[in-house]
Amino acid sequence: EIVMTQSPATLSVSPGERATLSCRASQSVGSSLAWYQQKLGQTPRLLIYGASTRATGVPARFSGSGSGTEFTLTITSLQSEDFAVYFCQQYNDWPLTFGGGTKVEIK
Amino acid sequence: QITLKESGPALVKPTQTLTLTCSLSGFSLSTRGVGVGWIRQSPGKALEWLAIIYWDNDIYYSPSLKSRLTITKDTSKNQVVLTMTNMDPVDTATYYCARRPVGDYTRFFDYWGQGTLVTVSS
Repeated sequence: EIVMTQSPATLSVSPGERATLSCRASQSVGSSLAWYQQKLGQTPRLLIYGASTRATGVPARFSGSGSGTEFTLTITSLQSEDFAVYFCQQYNDWPLTFGGGTKVEIK
Repeated sequence: QITLKESGPALVKPTQTLTLTCSLSGFSLSTRGVGVGWIRQSPGKALEWLAIIYWDNDIYYSPSLKSRLTITKDTSKNQVVLTMTNMDPVDTATYYCARRPVGDYTRFFDYWGQGTLVTVSS
């Protein structure tokens, strides 16, 4: 199975600053990569699919990039509601696999 | 409005079989391209994909759990049912059902249920 590794595990960022989250696949997944946001006690929310396409209603401050094995989620000018855990998921091959998550916390 | 809602027991004993139901609203499992999957999350841990069923009854399982899982659909009730046999305390988790959007190669999930916490304990 394809192993997804996210880094860092925790990212401390001040409101208004930029956050850069990484996701690495153990083998190429092309552009078949999605990002989810999960706030404490809430359901995961789809942010990005196809590595770089924002889901409906997702603010433009969220952007995804990368292909193959290296992917990045960038959040420009962090808002208070952006502090959450972010997961990546590959869907290039079965089984579908998720990364371990990056927690974005207030610095 | 698209919604999914999980239902099932909050507590099961070790070795028992868990049965979870996902009730769908705002979309139909009989529509071409629709898929519904199950994902779980142990307390404080990452997400783990379990299974998915498509409108045409195509089914995929997580290899590590395949021997214990069965996913079925009831189109008339617009429900998806997941059973997991031989439950163990390590299976304690929040279980989510989620919709896979229509489209080619869209094996991600755009709508999620609220999740149901299942605790395995004697």
